[in-house]
Amino acid sequence: DGGITQSPKYLFRKEGQNVTLSCEQNLNHDAMYWYRQDPGQGLRLIYYSQIVNDFQKGDIAEGYSVSREKKESFPLTVTSAQKNPTAFYLCASSIAASGSSSGANVLTFGAGSRLTVL
Amino acid sequence: GQNIDQPTEMTATEGAIVQINCTYQTSGFNGLFWYQQHAGEAPTFLSYNVLDGLEEKGRFSSFLSRSKGYSYLLLKELQMKDSASYLCAVQDSNYQLIWGAGTKLIIKP
Repeated sequence: DGGITQSPKYLFRKEGQNVTLSCEQNLNHDAMYWYRQDPGQGLRLIYYSQIVNDFQKGDIAEGYSVSREKKESFPLTVTSAQKNPTAFYLCASSIAASGSSSGANVLTFGAGSRLTVL
Repeated sequence: GQNIDQPTEMTATEGAIVQINCTYQTSGFNGLFWYQQHAGEAPTFLSYNVLDGLEEKGRFSSFLSRSKGYSYLLLKELQMKDSASYLCAVQDSNYQLIWGAGTKLIIKP
């Protein structure tokens, strides 16, 4: 079955540590995204990538970094510079890149990774 | 600024009908999405509207009025498994998604 796999599902981090969240998809989608979800707020875009070896900052990129070395993989690193990293992180992918005039750009989401800073 | 408004929480009875509203103010409009998200899980796609009117898909229907900046998701014959959050999202003029905070729907027996 095709889908998106995020790992780990739960992660605890001490202040000052960097952590990397994994996201792998076997849907052959070109575009991949990282969102952050906090209680009472809409999903906020951290980074997105439309093609291998290219990515763009979203609305809240500060304190995060990504790479897109393979089409299937889009890992997110939460650095110690992120002031309030405790959140639920969602990875998503879509056939077309966000920003293309292709109509319904339906996102497929992973199950999420919940990061807690101790 | 860009804004999507949805009620924070709604309660309905099993077997009944519920309507979840979404109003938006965005820089342009290129379609509106509804996603369902069970607690602690991934959002899943429910519907997409780009033209005015009603789109029906089984027990779920979605309506759009572009002139009013308004959409609703209608859920019929409610089942306990429909207890979830329902997320409204709009594609703006740059085809970027703007998300509402979601409506938590509680179904009571």
